[in-house]
Amino acid sequence: SQTIHQWPATLVQPVGSPLSLECTVEGTSNPNLYWYRQAAGRGLQLLFYSVGIGQISSEVPQNLSASRPQDRQFILSSKKLLLSDSGFYLCAWSGHQNTEAFFGQGTRLTVV
Amino acid sequence: QQQVKQSPQSLIVQKGGISIINCAYENTAFDYFPWYQQFPGKGPALLIAIRPDVSEKKEGRFTISFNKSAKQFSLHIMDSQPGDSATYFCAASRTGTYKYIFGTGTRLKVLA
Repeated sequence: SQTIHQWPATLVQPVGSPLSLECTVEGTSNPNLYWYRQAAGRGLQLLFYSVGIGQISSEVPQNLSASRPQDRQFILSSKKLLLSDSGFYLCAWSGHQNTEAFFGQGTRLTVV
Repeated sequence: QQQVKQSPQSLIVQKGGISIINCAYENTAFDYFPWYQQFPGKGPALLIAIRPDVSEKKEGRFTISFNKSAKQFSLHIMDSQPGDSATYFCAASRTGTYKYIFGTGTRLKVLA
């Protein structure tokens, strides 16, 4: 069966520090991968998605970037965090047909 | 055209009652409509999904009703239980786009 791992679960970082969140998927190959951000009490905002290694599409201009160095690995990064980067970050994967997306357990990022 | 509008924002239901959450969309090219359930501090989990070739889908106490002409779909939770208290998100996607557009979420509280 397929599983998605996302870490760390919580993170407190000072303003101006770098960020690296990692997500890996097991049990499937060539998945679509996604990074979402969820602000407190709000919906899910799509940040990046990837349909293959090295292929990254950005949905909104921001202080973040994403990379896909391996088929089942998706990384969310920032060189210098802003206070506004605080939020709940979710990684997800889906198959290449129009099927359901499966989410990781999320990372609660607090920038102080 | 890419928005999915979800209502209500919050909902309080007595145990045993029916919870109803509604979503509306504009883009008639959407062809997959999932509902997700999210507990605090966790990632969303797929609850039930429907495609526009059917008007209703039922899984246990959860039913999706789909009205293609009105471009609306809704989630009905029968015999609501305190354990159903969570945030519910509707979503829509279109084959080939690899993107899921989420509603803003409904926070459901079921009173014991």
